[in-house]
Amino acid sequence: DSGVTQTPKHLITATGQRVTLRCSPRSGDLSVYWYQQSLDQGLQFLIQYYNGEERAKGNILERFSAQQFPDLHSELNLSSLELGDSALYFCASSPRTGVFANYGYTFGSGTRLTVV
Amino acid sequence: SQQGEEDPQALSIQEGENATMNCSYKTSINNLQWYRQNSGRGLVHLILIRSNEREKHSGRLRVTLDTSKKSSSLLITASRAADTASYFCATLPTGGTYKYIFGTGTRLKVLA
Repeated sequence: DSGVTQTPKHLITATGQRVTLRCSPRSGDLSVYWYQQSLDQGLQFLIQYYNGEERAKGNILERFSAQQFPDLHSELNLSSLELGDSALYFCASSPRTGVFANYGYTFGSGTRLTVV
Repeated sequence: SQQGEEDPQALSIQEGENATMNCSYKTSINNLQWYRQNSGRGLVHLILIRSNEREKHSGRLRVTLDTSKKSSSLLITASRAADTASYFCATLPTGGTYKYIFGTGTRLKVLA
């Protein structure tokens, strides 16, 4: 157990639907990062939050949104789902951010989203 | 586009042999990390090397960084079947960005 908890582990939904993925960072970590990994692909950075504020945005679609709550857990909302959104979605956390990140990220085990 | 590109994309070796993976990147970086991912699972952080460091060791892992060539290598010595996984490099570019950019990974298969 890495200390980063992602729920649900698996999700199957239909096109056009909306889902919410949840991430609880490791205790004490203020930064949360979301990544998307499609089949046989590298990790695509989606978005980062630090202590409740958005810090960086990657190739995140307008249909996707995220937030980090006061208790530091984060949610990634995916709407108007398309077949191509099927992927592994990872959350990672770190104590600090950017150049102050003297440690690597701690990754959760991911949510496998299948859009049918 | 990906900041880091690992080479080779796939590598198959016999148990006991050494495995070397390379990562090239495009822009100046603050630091570089290597991660391991077992099939379909989360990534596990292996080692972080800062831009002012040239080499780091951790157990059977040896990482080098050549900022003049914008490249890094990961060496796994005396490989084991349990080392079978995908290995990713991740770079933190300079310039105030906060996000690591991952490469496409090297799939390593260690044959028993």
